[in-house]
Amino acid sequence: KNQVEQSPQSLIILEGKNCTLQCNYTVSPFSNLRWYKQDTGRGPVSLTIMTFSENTKSNGRYTATLDADTKQSSLHITASQLSDSASYICVVSERGSQGNLIFGKGTKLSVKP
Amino acid sequence: GAGVSQSPSNKVTEKGKDVELRCDPISGHTALYWYRQSLGQGLEFLIYFQGNSAPDKSGLPSDRFSAERTGGSVSTLTIQRTQQEDSAVYLCASSLGLAEYYEQYFGPGTRLTVT
Repeated sequence: KNQVEQSPQSLIILEGKNCTLQCNYTVSPFSNLRWYKQDTGRGPVSLTIMTFSENTKSNGRYTATLDADTKQSSLHITASQLSDSASYICVVSERGSQGNLIFGKGTKLSVKP
Repeated sequence: GAGVSQSPSNKVTEKGKDVELRCDPISGHTALYWYRQSLGQGLEFLIYFQGNSAPDKSGLPSDRFSAERTGGSVSTLTIQRTQQEDSAVYLCASSLGLAEYYEQYFGPGTRLTVT
């Protein structure tokens, strides 16, 4: 069964600190992996998208990594800001699925002053 | 507008009533998706449209759920005889083409509460 598992479920860090969120998936055949940020009461917004051949991609203070062999991804946030408080969702696309993306349950990040 | 819009933003309805949720995608986006997000759960795929056609309706939870899209633009998700377990945030997303290859842009969602 295609699944996406994220850890931790929630995380509290102090402003200015770094953190890393994890994503493991069993989706096969693999097409791409995305990280989304979802603010409370808003729709998800894309941060990065990586295909099989890419193992790292950055978007400002966000850096995603992908190990397609072990089916793991991470999202590293550098020098966190209060505005980083949100849920971060890992999403994997199955090749040939034509649009059925498989979503993780997300990691809820709280950045405290 | 520049983004995906959804209406209403909040809907409270009594059990057994029908509700209709609306999604206005980004102009020119041929693909449109509906998802459901229950409290503490990940997004659950419901249905997608390529143009006005919905090739895969297997994600709809029951025959009380239906969706249509007209003119390759606006889409409506209808839930008949609502049940309390239908309470969730319903999200719509659109993309230039199929989401496997294209970026998806999400609307703000409709929060449905069935009392």
